[in-house]
Amino acid sequence: AQTVTQSQPEMSVQEAETVTLSCTYDTSESDYYLFWYKQPPSRQMILVIRQEAYKQQNATENRFSVNFQKAAKSFSLKISDSQLGDAAMYFCASTGTASKLTFGTGTRLQVTL
Amino acid sequence: KAGVTQTPRYLIKTRGQQVTLSCSPISGHRSVSWYQQTPGQGLQFLFEYFSETQRNKGNFPGRFSGRQFSNSRSEMNVSTLELGDSALYLCASSYYGSLGNTIYFGEGSWLTVV
Repeated sequence: AQTVTQSQPEMSVQEAETVTLSCTYDTSESDYYLFWYKQPPSRQMILVIRQEAYKQQNATENRFSVNFQKAAKSFSLKISDSQLGDAAMYFCASTGTASKLTFGTGTRLQVTL
Repeated sequence: KAGVTQTPRYLIKTRGQQVTLSCSPISGHRSVSWYQQTPGQGLQFLFEYFSETQRNKGNFPGRFSGRQFSNSRSEMNVSTLELGDSALYLCASSYYGSLGNTIYFGEGSWLTVV
């Protein structure tokens, strides 16, 4: 069984600043993957970044990077140089080799001028 | 490469009716999974199909069913609709290969039951 916990229901960041969204997880899988998805008001779920658990190197995608702490079961998302278009709900999720995602409850990110 | 396509995007049904939602995965992806998103329950896994076989199933009543065709397109069906079935239904397409598991979502189908 897998569980994913996002303890920050809402976060706010000023444009051009950096923000970090937290996520902790628990899994019985030995081979698993972690994801961050962005859901804007259109409600489409957009893949932001993914991390293979067997890789120690933290994943990065342009302004988005993760801090993956496997022993602590922590998977936080850092957004650098925040933009107005980053405002959305962000979901942390995990899965094993099958495509059965377990989601956290989400963090609503506001970006202010 | 085209993304995950879900149809219809919006629909309104009456209690007791049944509904079928369709999902076409990204070309080459053989796994399709379905999720229900509601304000109260969040995102919940419904089921996953891989090569026309149901590989995983979530905790939903038997009124929720699905299938996958030989071209990997998938349909989900909800029979005897209840008001609580009103939700955004998201389909995800995935490929498990040398780079591991990557999962992409469609735009969703909004179902309103009245």
